[in-house]
Amino acid sequence: KAGVTQTPRYLIKTRGQQVTLSCSPISGHRSVSWYQQTPGQGLQFLFEYFSETQRNKGNFPGRFSGRQFSNSRSEMNVSTLELGDSALYLCASSSLAGGFLELFFGEGSRLTVL
Amino acid sequence: DAKTTQPPSMDCAEGRAANLPCNHSTISGNEYVYWYRQIHSQGPQYIIHGLKNNETNEMASLIITEDRKSSTLILPHATLRDTAVYYCIAELYNDMRFGAGTRLTVKP
Repeated sequence: KAGVTQTPRYLIKTRGQQVTLSCSPISGHRSVSWYQQTPGQGLQFLFEYFSETQRNKGNFPGRFSGRQFSNSRSEMNVSTLELGDSALYLCASSSLAGGFLELFFGEGSRLTVL
Repeated sequence: DAKTTQPPSMDCAEGRAANLPCNHSTISGNEYVYWYRQIHSQGPQYIIHGLKNNETNEMASLIITEDRKSSTLILPHATLRDTAVYYCIAELYNDMRFGAGTRLTVKP
């Protein structure tokens, strides 16, 4: 079974631009979560989608948005990029099979904002 | 915000047991305790979870106190490859919020 796939793996943008990151979950998983990881703030929860609906959202400004498609693939978008948005963005997919939540993470998209 | 408290760092000698504590004093009755670890810059990896009873799998053991306010992850024979950041999470289903974790360094 293929794992979680995130694209692109690396990207460089400049301040003020916007970026879209993509995440393909494990087949059969309907929940996709996004996290931002920086050296100073650690691993921070952005939002979680299930069946195309956002169920939870972390404490991030409105510049950070996401969506999920009917095939469970998800995208996140960051508009008006700031230097502080430089981070590793991780996507995780999950299912509740077995009654507990196991997150499967992708390798991440490393964004550098210049 | 994460509901757990962990020491920022710990060392362990290779071959010895690594005992990583976690405080989750505000955990509610239906919230599970999960442990994940992150090696270098890879995505976190699930280790184990529990509700009330102690649990063991091929990777680790999880000891949860009777009042469920704290737990300990035990790596019985730590190896150099166990050097990682270990995260303890007390959450229900889909709201998984990671704290700062414990950076475990296994030394030869």
